[in-house]
Amino acid sequence: GQQLNQSPQSMFIQEGEDVSMNCTSSSIFNTWLWYKQDPGEGPVLLIALYKAGELTSNGRLTAQFGITRKDSFLNISASIPSDVGIYFCAGQQTTGNTGKLIFGQGTTLQVKP
Amino acid sequence: DGGITQSPKYLFRKEGQNVTLSCEQNLNHDAMYWYRQDPGQGLRLIYYSQIVNDFQKGDIAEGYSVSREKKESFPLTVTSAQKNPTAFYLCASRPGQGVSGANVLTFGAGSRLTVL
Repeated sequence: GQQLNQSPQSMFIQEGEDVSMNCTSSSIFNTWLWYKQDPGEGPVLLIALYKAGELTSNGRLTAQFGITRKDSFLNISASIPSDVGIYFCAGQQTTGNTGKLIFGQGTTLQVKP
Repeated sequence: DGGITQSPKYLFRKEGQNVTLSCEQNLNHDAMYWYRQDPGQGLRLIYYSQIVNDFQKGDIAEGYSVSREKKESFPLTVTSAQKNPTAFYLCASRPGQGVSGANVLTFGAGSRLTVL
């Protein structure tokens, strides 16, 4: 099936540092979603993006829907230990719930206190 | 509070046995999904159902079966035909077409299946 290329695959950073990760695709998407998964739990939605160029924040998190509609970025500012987990991007080419969400491979974030 | 309940959280089975994972949602969502997660990989779609009594194969349906007899329930059976069943299984749901946020998946807490 179609995949999204998510990078980096993993990050090990110091508490307080900023983090940036991205997803790219060869296809155009109409929706980009960012999820966080804590160890042994299900993913939880962080940010949803629906419009090209859209920039949305959720606390220390900021995500952008790329102008080309083929990529998306997630930034975390001033990281803290509870930011540890796996971050997934997900894209959908259609609108509504009729299309499938396609997931990236995930970015594993570790934060050193 | 509304949500998705998966059970059991942990399951151990012998090779060759069928296993059924439960997924129940009280969000009144129309569509339900099953994903498989392996270390270092993204989420891979096994089966999905847009409406009661109807379901479609995802990208890796071989060795799995599902049913959707009730809107709230979407159980997954891992059959003995699945060659590598040890994995973390995630159930998810989302609202019907036309509802705000219709393309946002809500996930359960997952079930970890280990085949010995």
